[in-house]
Amino acid sequence: AQKITQTQPGMFVQEKEAVTLDCTYDTSDQSYGLFWYKQPSSGEMIFLIYQGSYDEQNATEGRYSLNFQKARKSANLVISASQLGDSAMYFCAMREGSYNFNKFYFGSGTKLNVKP
Amino acid sequence: DAGVTQSPTHLIKTRGQQVTLRCSPKSGHDTVSWYQQALGQGPQFIFQYYEEEERQRGNFPDRFSGHQFPNYSSELNVNALLLGDSALYLCASLAPGGAAEAFFGQGTRLTVV
Repeated sequence: AQKITQTQPGMFVQEKEAVTLDCTYDTSDQSYGLFWYKQPSSGEMIFLIYQGSYDEQNATEGRYSLNFQKARKSANLVISASQLGDSAMYFCAMREGSYNFNKFYFGSGTKLNVKP
Repeated sequence: DAGVTQSPTHLIKTRGQQVTLRCSPKSGHDTVSWYQQALGQGPQFIFQYYEEEERQRGNFPDRFSGHQFPNYSSELNVNALLLGDSALYLCASLAPGGAAEAFFGQGTRLTVV
């Protein structure tokens, strides 16, 4: 089974509007972390936001927030007030287990296009 | 403070050849992981190095090997290159002691012809 599922290959959003990128995950671990990364055409993966499995509050980082619904195993990224520079690939990722010896599982990504 | 740096940024190899990719982690980071990202897909975990040992490995053949040096930098070696090895290879580093996010380099784009 896929560990991370992103069902939106591509999304369009109007500049200054909000957009939600979907992510569902599959794990039997109690301790895990969920991440969103942005990948512009240059290739570098840029860390956006993190949510720990035991965190009760949804994570927020500036214009990014993570809508964490543990029972549904979803971790959607919300970008508020979209900007042209937000156009990129967005990947949801999960890390299971302890921090030092871990690996990330990535979804297939969502390509976001912000229209002026 | 330099982030994760990878070299080279691009290279072209012929099928059957061998290649070595290099990664310098972010200052203070001691754990390095390598990922392969085929075109249009998400990154796939290859392996992780900590204290100069391979700690975890993904579903990649033995043609993929690596090394970590005492200064925490790392190499990824791929032998007997196949056309299917063409991809973006990303290096990620983690800070010691309970760090959350991994920091990624810009990657090495390998083309096998």
